[in-house]
Amino acid sequence: SQQGEEDPQALSIQEGENATMNCSYKTSINNLQWYRQNSGRGLVHLILIRSNEREKHSGRLRVTLDTSKKSSSLLITASRAADTASYFCATGNTGGFKTIFGAGTRLFVKA
Amino acid sequence: KAGVTQTPRYLIKTRGQQVTLSCSPISGHRSVSWYQQTPGQGLQFLFEYFSETQRNKGNFPGRFSGRQFSNSRSEMNVSTLELGDSALYLCASSRDRVGTDTQYFGPGTRLTVL
Repeated sequence: SQQGEEDPQALSIQEGENATMNCSYKTSINNLQWYRQNSGRGLVHLILIRSNEREKHSGRLRVTLDTSKKSSSLLITASRAADTASYFCATGNTGGFKTIFGAGTRLFVKA
Repeated sequence: KAGVTQTPRYLIKTRGQQVTLSCSPISGHRSVSWYQQTPGQGLQFLFEYFSETQRNKGNFPGRFSGRQFSNSRSEMNVSTLELGDSALYLCASSRDRVGTDTQYFGPGTRLTVL
């Protein structure tokens, strides 16, 4: 079963709005990563946040991590049509060398 | 720096055949992992190779195998193909062991089994 579970499964917003996606996981982690995938293509790494970090920024992206709640969120500010993609969280777990991906959130940004 | 490359990009095979996919990691990366992506199962971990040794394996049958060469390039082989093997196969490389560092993905190989 998947460790990371993204919420919502799908999100449709207007260009310029903010998009927030959430990820929950079950076991202890070393890090959590967010990836973007355009239709049928490879995954593009967005941000890696380590278990001792609470927040990280990269351009229009803001990621938070709450290890007590075993959850993370990805905020995309001022979204653009080009942000339309699937977004995945992936956990790097302690006690084993694994990265487990969630099912992803499909984001659709309308121009 | 060149990214992760995968060849071929598209493959069409028939049931019972075998297939070999290739992945060239980013220069200096020692770990190569393989994933299978299907609409129904999402991204599923196949295996990780690090320093020419398989270090981790996902829950896939023995028909799925791989290897890594001394230059870190990796190949994945699927024997006796089944219809359910139709998927996007992604490889990813990282400097260190999977789960400890950022993974960089290739564009994938789209395999269709008829």
